[in-house]
Amino acid sequence: AQTVTQSQPEMSVQEAETVTLSCTYDTSESDYYLFWYKQPPSRQMILVIRQEAYKQQNATENRFSVNFQKAAKSFSLKISDSQLGDAAMYFCAPSNTGTASKLTFGTGTRLQVTL
Amino acid sequence: DVKVTQSSRYLVKRTGEKVFLECVQDMDHENMFWYRQDPGLGLRLIYFSYDVKMKEKGDIPEGYSVSREKKERFSLILESASTNQTSMYLCASREQGTYEAFFGQGTRLTVV
Repeated sequence: AQTVTQSQPEMSVQEAETVTLSCTYDTSESDYYLFWYKQPPSRQMILVIRQEAYKQQNATENRFSVNFQKAAKSFSLKISDSQLGDAAMYFCAPSNTGTASKLTFGTGTRLQVTL
Repeated sequence: DVKVTQSSRYLVKRTGEKVFLECVQDMDHENMFWYRQDPGLGLRLIYFSYDVKMKEKGDIPEGYSVSREKKERFSLILESASTNQTSMYLCASREQGTYEAFFGQGTRLTVV
């Protein structure tokens, strides 16, 4: 079974600054995917970024990037040039491959963005 | 635009009632999931399904059952609602190739 740990229940960042959200996970699989999802106050969960475990290169999506350390089972999210609209709950989610695989989430990090 | 639709955004039910939460996706995904979300606990998996009539227990299945008679619809059933089932319920479906999940807007259920 997968376990996911997000050790920062809350984080705060000033607008235009950079913040890093941490995530560690445990899996016995060698092939899997890792995701960061964002849940704003509207409650609609949306994908932020996706990483395939077999790829060594860290994924990047505009201001969002990850630091993926496979051996350490660490998958942190870096948000650069933070904006007010980035304020949300962020969830880390590893997903094994295979049709019957689970999708497990961490407990989340609430990010506040201040002026 | 991909869509996962949950039948209700807010729901209030009485203790002991049988409650149905419906979820419909229009993306022809095989995998569908039901989670409950509580403060400080994140999303906890209740049940998931990987094909019509196929279901697997998640991490907290007690007090819940599911039904998947058609590929696009995945229903969560609270057989006899209790106050400790007051929560936010989220449905998701997952794309096969990318493993990306798409979520409904959530149902906030209050059991009184």
